[in-house]
Amino acid sequence: DIQMTQSPSSLSASVGDRVTITCRASQTISTYLNWYQQKPEKAPKLLIYSASSLESGVPSRFGGSGSGTDFTLTISSLQPEDFVTYYCQQSHSSPYTFGQGTKLEIK
Amino acid sequence: QITLKESGPPLVKPTQTLTLTCTLSGLSISTSGVGVGWIRQPPGKALEWLAFIYWDDDKRHSPSLKTRLTITKDTSKNQVVLTMTNMDPVDTATYYCAHRHAFGGFDFWGQGTMVAVSS
Repeated sequence: DIQMTQSPSSLSASVGDRVTITCRASQTISTYLNWYQQKPEKAPKLLIYSASSLESGVPSRFGGSGSGTDFTLTISSLQPEDFVTYYCQQSHSSPYTFGQGTKLEIK
Repeated sequence: QITLKESGPPLVKPTQTLTLTCTLSGLSISTSGVGVGWIRQPPGKALEWLAFIYWDDDKRHSPSLKTRLTITKDTSKNQVVLTMTNMDPVDTATYYCAHRHAFGGFDFWGQGTMVAVSS
């Protein structure tokens, strides 16, 4: 199985800050990497697919980059609604594993 | 608009078999390229990918749960069914079904169904 490791597991920031969340795969996955946002008690929402492609309707302050084993999700200017949990997921090979999540908290 | 809705029992006893149904709307499970997966999330924990089925009946399962999981589709009802045998309290979670995005990942999700395992 491909292991996905996110860092940090939690992050404190302020409205307007720029933040970066990292996801590392245990083996190369090309750009088969997706990012999700999950609000409490809600289903995850796809933000980024193929490492850097913005899903339709997602604000442009969200951006993704990386290939191979190292990936980042960047939020350019945090808004109040962004202080939730984010997950990466690889879609390179089954099982299509998720990272352990990063919780974004207000400083 | 594609929607998915999970249904199943909110409570099962240990050792019982869980059967969950995902009903699709706005898209046929028989359409070429369509895939539907199951993902679960224990309370306060991370997402865990469980199983996946394609329109052509190709299937994938989590190796750690493979002996307990069965995923099937009913094209007449446009549904995907997940069964999990020998349920244990650690299987208590919200279970989601989701539609595979054309480039991987899941772009449409059901609301989730909470399943508790307790005697």
